[in-house]
Amino acid sequence: GQNIDQPTEMTATEGAIVQINCTYQTSGFNGLFWYQQHAGEAPTFLSYNVLDGLEEKGRFSSFLSRSKGYSYLLLKELQMKDSASYLCAVRVGVSGGYNKLIFGAGTRLAVHP
Amino acid sequence: DSGVTQTPKHLITATGQRVTLRCSPRSGDLSVYWYQQSLDQGLQFLIQYYNGEERAKGNILERFSAQQFPDLHSELNLSSLELGDSALYFCASSVGMDRHNEQFFGPGTRLTVL
Repeated sequence: GQNIDQPTEMTATEGAIVQINCTYQTSGFNGLFWYQQHAGEAPTFLSYNVLDGLEEKGRFSSFLSRSKGYSYLLLKELQMKDSASYLCAVRVGVSGGYNKLIFGAGTRLAVHP
Repeated sequence: DSGVTQTPKHLITATGQRVTLRCSPRSGDLSVYWYQQSLDQGLQFLIQYYNGEERAKGNILERFSAQQFPDLHSELNLSSLELGDSALYFCASSVGMDRHNEQFFGPGTRLTVL
């Protein structure tokens, strides 16, 4: 089966650093994505990892360990506008050489002043 | 603005009815994906089309069907609607099928079944 786990909710303070974890157990792995989604809006792409290690992109960084089935998203210098849901998604292969994304349920982050 | 458009933005209908949701991908994108997002279930992959052909299927009910037309726009048809079909339906598009192809999501269609 396919299983992606993330904490349901997190809170943090403006200006601080927060780490959102994601663990996965999937049949096949072709990369891991992080998306940000504000309530009622479309998900927007944040980061992509396919090899082990850290990818840094401004205030956001994402880490992947394929052997542990583990990723995290690190948000630095938190701003109020970072209050949103953060979705971890794993790309797995399907028949015919194609891929599909499996999303976790998302982590709702609330940033407080 | 991702460049992906979806219509309508909101749809309210009754149980047993049939509706059609429409999606236009970003210019140049050949792949279209449909997702359902319910309050209690997160984002669920339904189906993918690439250049007019179905390529991957997720947890799509038999009452639902989709197609991608020669101009690459796609439609998702939902029939015999039930209360539980109330959800946000997102369409996403990407350039191709493999490698680092991030998906760009449209604004969604909010379906309410009464």
